[in-house]
Amino acid sequence: GAVVSQHPSRVICKSGTSVKIECRSLDFQATTMFWYRQFPKQSLMLMATSNEGSKATYEQGVEKDKFLINHASLTLSTLTVTSAHPEDSSFYICSARDWGQIGEAFFGQGTRLTVV
Amino acid sequence: GESVGLHLPTLSVQEGDNSIINCAYSNSASDYFIWYKQESGKGPQFIIDIRSNMDKRQGQRVTVLLNKTVKHLSLQIAATQPGDSAVYFCAETLSGGSYIPTFGRGTSLIVHP
Repeated sequence: GAVVSQHPSRVICKSGTSVKIECRSLDFQATTMFWYRQFPKQSLMLMATSNEGSKATYEQGVEKDKFLINHASLTLSTLTVTSAHPEDSSFYICSARDWGQIGEAFFGQGTRLTVV
Repeated sequence: GESVGLHLPTLSVQEGDNSIINCAYSNSASDYFIWYKQESGKGPQFIIDIRSNMDKRQGQRVTVLLNKTVKHLSLQIAATQPGDSAVYFCAETLSGGSYIPTFGRGTSLIVHP
């Protein structure tokens, strides 16, 4: 099956710094990537939909300037958490959909962000 | 999908039993449904999917049932094994260019040996 690689798997950063999370589709071209946030024992909440070469579409309540998304190529999307605060600590997950594929999107392994 | 709550529903079963996990979805226009398994600290893993033109689909040890009338989806796992212990999510979406999966609440499955 298609592979989506997310990096890093874990990151600890100081409050006020920025953290970049990468999401790569390894064996397919992903025109669309999705970024989710998940709190403990809760469901995945869609943050934004990222389309290659265009601006991301953010869900209501998600701060665009706080969570910067870049989808510069068909195999890479990045999420940058800017000026991170402890409340940004969460599990962030990306998924990618194959170009022309009508089936499901594939998920990365997730990134555990801890802001101290 | 269902509203996100603070606590995941839990289903506890004995090894070898059959498990049934239920999900209610919200958008009557959704035409593609997916079940995912998520183990602790990992991303969701695809299990099985079903399109709205079907009401049942079978995989290896898993069956998904779709009832569009009441907007209900279920996942049946036969001969549940300890390795099946995880959180299971259903996702609903429109297929094609409007594909944006929305996740349901999730159910924690605990399989006792």
